[in-house]
Amino acid sequence: GAVVSQHPSWVICKSGTSVKIECRSLDFQATTMFWYRQFPKQSLMLMATSNEGSKATYEQGVEKDKFLINHASLTLSTLTVTSAHPEDSSFYICSSWGEREGPYEQYFGPGTRLTVT
Amino acid sequence: GNSVTQMEGPVTLSEEAFLTINCTYTATGYPSLFWYVQYPGEGLQLLLKATKADDKGSNKGFEATYRKETTSFHLEKGSVQVSDSAVYFCALLYNQGGKLIFGQGTELSVKP
Repeated sequence: GAVVSQHPSWVICKSGTSVKIECRSLDFQATTMFWYRQFPKQSLMLMATSNEGSKATYEQGVEKDKFLINHASLTLSTLTVTSAHPEDSSFYICSSWGEREGPYEQYFGPGTRLTVT
Repeated sequence: GNSVTQMEGPVTLSEEAFLTINCTYTATGYPSLFWYVQYPGEGLQLLLKATKADDKGSNKGFEATYRKETTSFHLEKGSVQVSDSAVYFCALLYNQGGKLIFGQGTELSVKP
């Protein structure tokens, strides 16, 4: 079963509003989570690294004031897209390194499809 | 900088055909290499990995060998099934905080 969940799985919002996406590790502690953006037919682009109890580290070119990341606990990180615009429409994916039954590997959430109208 | 390049898709094969998806990388040092698979409507799943040169990763009939001399990690399967239809991503891990760098993905479609 899924080890990293995301909520919601899809969301439609109006331009100018803010949207929060949750990422949870279900049966392991995630001190670090990663947020990716995936455009249709394209690869995953790392947006930021979310660290529990501290500020996120953003990749070059990613607006930290637009994509707010909060990692308040060892199992939850949130990405808030503020003042969303149509160009923010995308598939957002979170992931975390974890060690469960097998070796250490990176687990991915199922993704959240954001459509801004 | 570090990067991963995959062959472009989509790749369309008939069931039981042989599959190769090419992946080459550019990296400083000695990265670990991965293949992930994304089935329709699902998240990425680790398919296989290799952590050093000449290692062969294998899983579910897929395999890939870490070739340092050609900086490649090509994915192969001897006989594909319809259920293998998915998008396949090659990735490398470098040590800056456990970040993965992904190739652009290759869509595979297997017809019965």
